Amino acid sequence: QKEVEQDPGPLSVPEGAIVSLNCTYSNSAFQYFMWYRQYSRKGPELLMYTYSSGNKEDGRFTAQVDKSSKYISLFIRDSQPSDSATYLCAMKGGGYQKVTFGIGTKLQVIP
Amino acid sequence: DARVTQTPRHKVTEMGQEVTMRCQPILGHNTVFWYRQTMMQGLELLAYFRNRAPLDDSGMPKDRFSAEMPDATLATLKIQPSEPRDSAVYFCASGRDSYEQYFGPGTRLTVT
Repeated sequence: QKEVEQDPGPLSVPEGAIVSLNCTYSNSAFQYFMWYRQYSRKGPELLMYTYSSGNKEDGRFTAQVDKSSKYISLFIRDSQPSDSATYLCAMKGGGYQKVTFGIGTKLQVIP
Repeated sequence: DARVTQTPRHKVTEMGQEVTMRCQPILGHNTVFWYRQTMMQGLELLAYFRNRAPLDDSGMPKDRFSAEMPDATLATLKIQPSEPRDSAVYFCASGRDSYEQYFGPGTRLTVT
């Protein structure tokens, strides 16, 4: 079993829909929770970051962390075709711990 | 606009040949990472350097892969000899002792 589990999809939604992306993890030492977005044939780029449990909102994007359930989510409101990409969750512990990535969920927003 | 650069962007080679990939991290960043990405496995960490010293290379096949940082502006990843199963996209990323990593555009490697 992997430390971080993520459904690879693909996930297809109509423009304007609310998208929910999720990851589960097994390592209770994880403290930093990130979402990276990766467009086709590009490198991943950081989209959202949350430290420990709680919610964080940035425009149309909301990241949630539930450490008691070892479950993190990314919500995209009013999804746009430009949101079509692969979304990777990522996590790390404190100090110089490495970042562990999920496999990524491929999202397609249909106009 | 500071970016991580990687060369070459594409590489096609025959099995058994040596492959060298290069990365220039963002100036001022003290951590450098090498990842391999495939459809089946996703992003796998191969090597992690901090202040040019290797911190974690547990994910790297030691018999054929090697990673070095000859200076602060250059990181290299070598595969010798290459095999078809090494075909993947190899990413370099750099950062500053934090959760955030800045990824390069990747090297798409095909070994025939």
